[in-house]
Amino acid sequence: QVQLQESGPGVVKPSGTLSLTCAVSGGSINSSNWWSWVRQTPRKGLEWIGDVHHIGNSYYNMSLRSRVTIFLDKSKNQFSLDLRSVTAADTAVYYCARLDGSYVSFDLWGQGILVTVSS
Amino acid sequence: QSVLTQPPSVSAAPGQKVTISCSGSSSSIGNNYVSWYQQLPGNAPKLLIYDNNKRPSGIPDRFSGSKSGTSATLAITGLQTGDEGDYYCETWDNSLISRLFGGGTKLTVL
Repeated sequence: QVQLQESGPGVVKPSGTLSLTCAVSGGSINSSNWWSWVRQTPRKGLEWIGDVHHIGNSYYNMSLRSRVTIFLDKSKNQFSLDLRSVTAADTAVYYCARLDGSYVSFDLWGQGILVTVSS
Repeated sequence: QSVLTQPPSVSAAPGQKVTISCSGSSSSIGNNYVSWYQQLPGNAPKLLIYDNNKRPSGIPDRFSGSKSGTSATLAITGLQTGDEGDYYCETWDNSLISRLFGGGTKLTVL
């Protein structure tokens, strides 16, 4: 079955770029699904970051849009998140997830990765 | 503060029924499908209900969802101690052009 696995640094310096990757195994990133990032903090709960589709379309949370890029690496069957100019408020558990074919529900989640913004 | 409003906590005894509400607006719940997720302690969220009231394969029929107007409800019957955790509603908002999550509801099985 399809599985998702996040990877990346656990600590990022303030004003730096948070870069995470989600490896997709057991299935193709070229499927009809959209691929997403969601983060979770004790203060704000779950927050949608954005989605990307293999045909090139993407949607981002308007509050993060100016700092976020989500992109696919089809050769490695993975997708990635870049979040620029980070502050302590970006400290969170970051999840990669798969949206179902109808673009309605997150039907598969990675285990999550804690990223702390700290000098 | 989330634009999808859920009660912070609910509780009930084992074997009983509990309901969790999710209140939105015409641009969110009123015109879009609602999904529900279960997050057990230390785990990632897991899809419980999609398209307002459908259950993915493997989700027991103790879990059910409904929607009326700008609100949605998750019901859990035959409560078990293993159901303790956080529950989130989620939908799309046509005005905000954004995917929204509720603030989450912590379920305690007494």
